[in-house]
Amino acid sequence: AQSVTQLDSHVSVSEGTPVLLRCNYSSSYSPSLFWYVQHPNKGLQLLLKYTSAATLVKGINGFEAEFKKSETSFHLTKPSAHMSDAAEYFCVVSLYGGSQGNLIFGKGTKLSVKP
Amino acid sequence: GAVVSQHPSRVICKSGTSVKIECRSLDFQATTMFWYRQFPKQSLMLMATSNEGSKATYEQGVEKDKFLINHASLTLSTLTVTSAHPEDSSFYICSARDRIVHEQYFGPGTRLTVT
Repeated sequence: AQSVTQLDSHVSVSEGTPVLLRCNYSSSYSPSLFWYVQHPNKGLQLLLKYTSAATLVKGINGFEAEFKKSETSFHLTKPSAHMSDAAEYFCVVSLYGGSQGNLIFGKGTKLSVKP
Repeated sequence: GAVVSQHPSRVICKSGTSVKIECRSLDFQATTMFWYRQFPKQSLMLMATSNEGSKATYEQGVEKDKFLINHASLTLSTLTVTSAHPEDSSFYICSARDRIVHEQYFGPGTRLTVT
């Protein structure tokens, strides 16, 4: 069965410092993995996705994530945090692979950015 | 880009009344739409999968008679919360899967408050 675990419920960084949001997955299939961002009282925005192509995936707003099969991880990183990055981030795995399947959401990681 | 709208964006209703939430794909056709609910500071939980022209598939623990789903066209799905109670207060989010490219796109969400 597919599942996803976000290891930190809350991450706090200073503006200009690197961001690391951790995600581990479990999947019986070759997974498709996604990172979504949700700003307060807003809908979800897709940051990036991995669908069995390049293992290092670049997304919007300077974010990227690396798929590591040996570690079953898909951590999200950004070299330099901006105040506007403060939001809730969800790691998501797709059932049956690809975005065709149902999505399983992690519990989310709240990112705070201090000035 | 693909846009999904939800209406209303927020609604307050009295206990015992019914509320209808609309989810529309504005520039693509969606044979499948998904309904999620999100409690404060929690992740999204899939409630049901709505397929155009057929009955919705509900997740375990979701009352199909309470959360009525209709997907009568390729661009519209509706969720009706019947006999709403305060515990139904939540953030309801829909997503629509493009029938050609098979990508899922999320709506901005509807905040329901039952008094």
